[in-house]
Amino acid sequence: DVKVTQSSRYLVKRTGEKVFLECVQDMDHENMFWYRQDPGLGLRLIYFSYDVKMKEKGDIPEGYSVSREKKERFSLILESASTNQTSMYLCASSSPWAEYEQYFGPGTRLTVT
Amino acid sequence: GQNIDQPTEMTATEGAIVQINCTYQTSGFNGLFWYQQHAGEAPTFLSYNVLDGLEEKGRFSSFLSRSKGYSYLLLKELQMKDSASYLCAVREVGAGSYQLTFGKGTKLSVIP
Repeated sequence: DVKVTQSSRYLVKRTGEKVFLECVQDMDHENMFWYRQDPGLGLRLIYFSYDVKMKEKGDIPEGYSVSREKKERFSLILESASTNQTSMYLCASSSPWAEYEQYFGPGTRLTVT
Repeated sequence: GQNIDQPTEMTATEGAIVQINCTYQTSGFNGLFWYQQHAGEAPTFLSYNVLDGLEEKGRFSSFLSRSKGYSYLLLKELQMKDSASYLCAVREVGAGSYQLTFGKGTKLSVIP
């Protein structure tokens, strides 16, 4: 079974802090994604990566950056956390060999105070 | 770009059948996915359609009409555990074709 893990289930940070969210997948998938999910807005794509050291902006990249130094790991960075970044963050991975079906991690609920 | 619409909420009775609709507008369709998401959990894959017609998988079926930009997810013999949000997602042809664009989800409540 594909396993996507995220470093924390719950995280509380203060405004202005730099925040790192880590995601690891164990299926050698080429593609990895970061989403945020908010009530009434659904899943929105922040960034994605289709290869090591490659990244592409999604629909809402402002205030975020990403890093992919190894194939299995994709990190989301909030350079200076703000209260409007309080959200559920979901990581996913996919492969062309599985019709690009996306497998999701359990999510990190981030609260910025 | 894409526009994906699905109802916000639905309620159905245990043992019944429910149909959740999804309409989309896209410049280059390349597949439609349905995901299930229980409250507080990650989405999990249910079905994938790229050609017109019905795909059946146990109690769940998904239908696609590309000419109408329309899909539905059919859940039969509803169980209480089917209470969840159901997300429709569309993939487009072209650069970044591994991206999915998600609808806002339909929250299904199954009542006794």
